[in-house]
Amino acid sequence: AQRVTQPEKLLSVFKGAPVELKCNYSYSGSPELFWYVQYSRQRLQLLLRHISRESIKGFTADLNKGETSFHLKKPFAQEEDSAMYYCALSPNQAGTALIFGKGTTLSVSS
Amino acid sequence: KAGVTQTPRYLIKTRGQQVTLSCSPISGHRSVSWYQQTPGQGLQFLFEYFSETQRNKGNFPGRFSGRQFSNSRSEMNVSTLELGDSALYLCASSTQTGGTEAFFGQGTRLTVV
Repeated sequence: AQRVTQPEKLLSVFKGAPVELKCNYSYSGSPELFWYVQYSRQRLQLLLRHISRESIKGFTADLNKGETSFHLKKPFAQEEDSAMYYCALSPNQAGTALIFGKGTTLSVSS
Repeated sequence: KAGVTQTPRYLIKTRGQQVTLSCSPISGHRSVSWYQQTPGQGLQFLFEYFSETQRNKGNFPGRFSGRQFSNSRSEMNVSTLELGDSALYLCASSTQTGGTEAFFGQGTRLTVV
């Protein structure tokens, strides 16, 4: 079964601390993986995708096929990073149907 | 350019009624997908349309249906509403199929009483 698991509902860190939001997936093929973010009162938007291997707003994520993980990391959290983060999987060649995890709320305090 | 537009923003319906939600994608986007968001289940995929054809369908009962028009605008319909259908319904559009960035609308908040 296709599934995305985000084990933490809430992650609270202090400004300047490292952040790691965990994401594990279950899929037998070669999925494409994404991180979407929703800031307060804003639309859900793409943060980054594994195929582009880029860093957005200081965040990076590496696909580990052996551990079926796609954890999101940032070395130094900022207060403006506070948001809801969703890990999502797009089954290969299956259109834009996205399977989302249940999300992790990141709270960064000073 | 204008983002994904969903109408109406809020709806209150009675059990047993039916409802139609509308989504206008970003100009040039041919793929439209729909999601149901609830506190308990999170974001769940309903269906995806590309060039007026349903390409993928999630695990929802047949009461949930959709369609896409030649101008890529999409509608979803829920018949015989149940209390559990109360949710935020999100629409997303993208340029093509296959793992491209999905642009989300602000959603329609449906309350079934």
